[in-house]
Amino acid sequence: DTEVTQTPKHLVMGMTNKKSLKCEQHMGHRAMYWYKQKAKKPPELMFVYSYEKLSINESVPSRFSPECPNSSLLNLHLHALQPEDSALYLCASSQDFSKQEQFFGPGTRLTVL
Amino acid sequence: ELKVEQNPLFLSMQEGKNYTIYCNYSTTSDRLYWYRQDPGKSLESLFVLLSNGAVKQEGRLMASLDTKARLSTLHITAAVHDLSATYFCAVDTGNQFYFGTGTSLTVIP
Repeated sequence: DTEVTQTPKHLVMGMTNKKSLKCEQHMGHRAMYWYKQKAKKPPELMFVYSYEKLSINESVPSRFSPECPNSSLLNLHLHALQPEDSALYLCASSQDFSKQEQFFGPGTRLTVL
Repeated sequence: ELKVEQNPLFLSMQEGKNYTIYCNYSTTSDRLYWYRQDPGKSLESLFVLLSNGAVKQEGRLMASLDTKARLSTLHITAAVHDLSATYFCAVDTGNQFYFGTGTSLTVIP
């Protein structure tokens, strides 16, 4: 299995809702990433998990809360988001954190009303 | 802070023509990746360049890396409509992974 999967594909939520994005890979990769991408912009790194531990948090607001339950799963919990948080959220994984090619999932298109 | 700049940002080219996209970066790195992104879709890995002088080709696309000049190029030969997409380079320093600004390519008949 050489895929990174993400659910849901699309999510619409209000500013008071709580929702979660899910990411899964079965390639035995030990590093997983969350990126945020606005239209016509490059992806921006949010979080990196290496061996199930949070190793990078790129000063992301606390309304985004990552979780890595095991080496195959990565969640992003969302609470009290703002309309400007609407974006494509991409998950990626790599064999290891340092100097390894990243493989991207299909993304979740998030709209915050 | 690492800066990764691509030129041009927008490119409209005719079918059959050749063109080169440039990726300049501001710090030492010997690992660079090229990705393709179609509208509303995720990123597809095109090339992995792992050393100075690396050159890789796939179909009408050829990528190269000059680590001394901190420059990578993506050359398009005899463009076809299917190549229309946004192309990103990404630089990997070992503890940083930054995407370039992206080049939006449109191939017109």
